[in-house]
Amino acid sequence: DIQMTQSPSTLSASVGDRVTITCRTSQSISSWLAWYQQKPGKAPKLLIYKASSLESGVPSRFSGSESGTEFTLTINSLQPDDSATYYCQQYYAYPLTFGGGTKVEIK
Amino acid sequence: EVQMVESGGGLVKPGGSLRLSCAASGFTFSDAWMSWVRQAPGKGLEWVARSKTKGEGWTTDYAAPVRGRFIISRDESGNTLYLQMNSLKTEDTAVYYCTTDLSPKYLWGQGTLVTVSS
Repeated sequence: DIQMTQSPSTLSASVGDRVTITCRTSQSISSWLAWYQQKPGKAPKLLIYKASSLESGVPSRFSGSESGTEFTLTINSLQPDDSATYYCQQYYAYPLTFGGGTKVEIK
Repeated sequence: EVQMVESGGGLVKPGGSLRLSCAASGFTFSDAWMSWVRQAPGKGLEWVARSKTKGEGWTTDYAAPVRGRFIISRDESGNTLYLQMNSLKTEDTAVYYCTTDLSPKYLWGQGTLVTVSS
């Protein structure tokens, strides 16, 4: 199975800050990585697919990048509505695996 | 527009059974890999089972915790994915999401809650 190591598990930042979440995979996944935002009681919402492609309708302050087996979700100019838990997921191989989540809190 | 709508969740006693359904639309159902993913209360995401395409013989596979107890299947005529859950345990309590790999995107339904409790 492909292991996903997501960090940090929680972070607290102020409105307007730039926030970075990292996901490391245990092997190459050829960019088959998605990032999701999840709010309480809701389904995960797709933000980024194929490591760096922005899903339609998602604000441009969200971006994804990759360097080898390290993937990054960046939120530029954090907004109050960005308070949520964020997950990474690899869909290169089954079983699908997920990062443990990052809870983003607004100071 | 791609849409997946789950149903069939509810409260069931340990040892009981439940069948979840996922009505899919907006894509060619027989050509898409479909999976169930679950999320226990306050926990992370866990892949449960997969159904490959018609051309691949609807081949299925399962995560270890559910293998031998859960069965994933499809009704091609109704564009519906199922998850038959038998011998349910309290640790199966979760929201169950219907998902599909429509490369390059991976898409999700809204989920249905299954509670296993006496």
